[in-house]
Amino acid sequence: RKEVEQDPGPFNVPEGATVAFNCTYSNSASQSFFWYRQDCRKEPKLLMSVYSSGNEDGRFTAQLNRASQYISLLIRDSKLSDSATYLCVKGAGGFKTIFGAGTRLFVKA
Amino acid sequence: SQTIHQWPATLVQPVGSPLSLECTVEGTSNPNLYWYRQAAGRGLQLLFYSVGIGQISSEVPQNLSASRPQDRQFILSSKKLLLSDSGFYLCAWSTGLSNQPQHFGDGTRLSIL
Repeated sequence: RKEVEQDPGPFNVPEGATVAFNCTYSNSASQSFFWYRQDCRKEPKLLMSVYSSGNEDGRFTAQLNRASQYISLLIRDSKLSDSATYLCVKGAGGFKTIFGAGTRLFVKA
Repeated sequence: SQTIHQWPATLVQPVGSPLSLECTVEGTSNPNLYWYRQAAGRGLQLLFYSVGIGQISSEVPQNLSASRPQDRQFILSSKKLLLSDSGFYLCAWSTGLSNQPQHFGDGTRLSIL
């Protein structure tokens, strides 16, 4: 089993929709979790850090469920510009992180 | 603010040729530095990371090597490239504290012919 698993998608949603991605992880000792966004042929960019029970940043909400070992990302009022691949990342102890393979999102007009 | 520079942006090399990719970070001291490779349509694979000058940890066996000659400089090298070395190479940095996010350079797209 991979340490970080994501549904690859793609998720196809209309503008204005709410969409949620889940990410499951193994090794419950992980202390830190992140969501990154990667546009086609570009580098990943940090979207949100998820350190405790979750946090919100504008239209984006991240939740962490330690008991079930998953984190989620909720995007409200989707915009065309939200189309990208979303990477779930967990700290692997110390200075390393493990990246999921990503979930592709397409937002259509 | 911190910035990370990676070059070249694109590289086309013949099989068997050497490789040198460079990455530098500005605006921070003692960063952790990382090299990743991303094959087309795939996730990121950690190749090397470094917590200090001259300290390199290798994650996967391969014909690549890494060096950190200065605090904010990280170099990825190969003596002889293979076709399988094609991919998108990304350099990243994080602070010296544990459990911190990483920040990526623009990446180098390497094609081996």
